[in-house]
Amino acid sequence: AQSVTQPDIHITVSEGASLELRCNYSYGATPYLFWYVQSPGQGLQLLLKYFSGDTLVQGIKGFEAEFKRSQSSFNLRKPSVHWSDAAEYFCAVAPGEEAGTALIFGKGTTLSVSS
Amino acid sequence: KAGVTQTPRYLIKTRGQQVTLSCSPISGHRSVSWYQQTPGQGLQFLFEYFSETQRNKGNFPGRFSGRQFSNSRSEMNVSTLELGDSALYLCASSFSLGQVTGELFFGEGSRLTVL
Repeated sequence: AQSVTQPDIHITVSEGASLELRCNYSYGATPYLFWYVQSPGQGLQLLLKYFSGDTLVQGIKGFEAEFKRSQSSFNLRKPSVHWSDAAEYFCAVAPGEEAGTALIFGKGTTLSVSS
Repeated sequence: KAGVTQTPRYLIKTRGQQVTLSCSPISGHRSVSWYQQTPGQGLQFLFEYFSETQRNKGNFPGRFSGRQFSNSRSEMNVSTLELGDSALYLCASSFSLGQVTGELFFGEGSRLTVL
């Protein structure tokens, strides 16, 4: 069965430091991959997505992610974290084109930013 | 333009009761999806409606149902509530034409507490 694993439940990063959030997926074919962010009391917002092509994708708010097929990973990165980036981050996969909007989400990683 | 609107934002019910949650998608969006978010299970796909038809359904019991109206507004209903139904129910809309588009626009959710 398809699945998404986010190994880190909680990460604390100093403001201005770099960030990498890990995501591993289990799916046979080329997946459609996403990163969403959820701020407290808010719904989820799409940061970026990968469908095909260049394995390094740029998103909003200065985030980027790299698709590595050999490692079944889609890690999220940001070179310099701001206090406003504190939130919960979800990696998700759509298992095939016919999945429509039925995404499979990881359990999420909570990011805290220290000053 | 206005975002996805979910009502009510908070509600408390007792076991055995039923509940109806409402979602108004972004204007022009024809696809509405519902997700359940709990601390233990994370985000799980409930169902998707497109042009008043259920296009996809997650692995939830028949107590969970939904519908979509001609104006794309959607409702979901949970009958015979159980304690485990306590969750944040998120609605998402997208301009989906059947294939994976990736960008789901989420509402802030309806937080259901079952006592």
